[in-house]
Amino acid sequence: QKEVEQDPGPLSVPEGAIVSLNCTYSNSAFQYFMWYRQYSRKGPELLMYTYSSGNKEDGRFTAQVDKSSKYISLFIRDSQPSDSATYLCAMSGSNDYKLSFGAGTTVTVRA
Amino acid sequence: NAGVTQTPKFRVLKTGQSMTLLCAQDMNHEYMYWYRQDPGMGLRLIHYSVGEGTTAKGEVPDGYNVSRLKKQNFLLGLESAAPSQTSVYFCASSYISSQETQYFGPGTRLLVL
Repeated sequence: QKEVEQDPGPLSVPEGAIVSLNCTYSNSAFQYFMWYRQYSRKGPELLMYTYSSGNKEDGRFTAQVDKSSKYISLFIRDSQPSDSATYLCAMSGSNDYKLSFGAGTTVTVRA
Repeated sequence: NAGVTQTPKFRVLKTGQSMTLLCAQDMNHEYMYWYRQDPGMGLRLIHYSVGEGTTAKGEVPDGYNVSRLKKQNFLLGLESAAPSQTSVYFCASSYISSQETQYFGPGTRLLVL
């Protein structure tokens, strides 16, 4: 079993829809949770970073962490065609030397 | 400020050939990483470095070697390429720990025939 599970999709939604992305994890030592966005043929870039359980909002993006369920989510409101990308969750423990990544979910927002 | 750059962008190798991928960063970051990305597998860490002159193995180090002679550069070597090493390779760097934001390069696409 992988440490981090993420449904690879693909996910196709109409413009303006809410996009919901999820990851589950098995390592209870994970404390740092991130979402990276990767456009086609580009490197990943950090989108959201959270440390504690609860919600964090940044514009149209909301990251949610539920440590008790070992579950994290990313919501994109009012999705735009420019949000079409692969979204990767990543997480780390405080003593880890690395990030553990999910497989990534490919999202297409149709105009 | 170029961030993280990678050379080359694309390469085709024959089985058994060798090559070196170069990563350079101009952000004075201590940590540098090499990942490979394969369909359905996400990003997997090959090797990493926590400072100039240091290197360490990641999840999938077999068949690769690395060197960090200068703080700004991190080299990934393939001594004898195999078709299983066909992948997209990403370099990343972060300031002082793996928990901080990692900044990724644009990637190198490698095809081993």
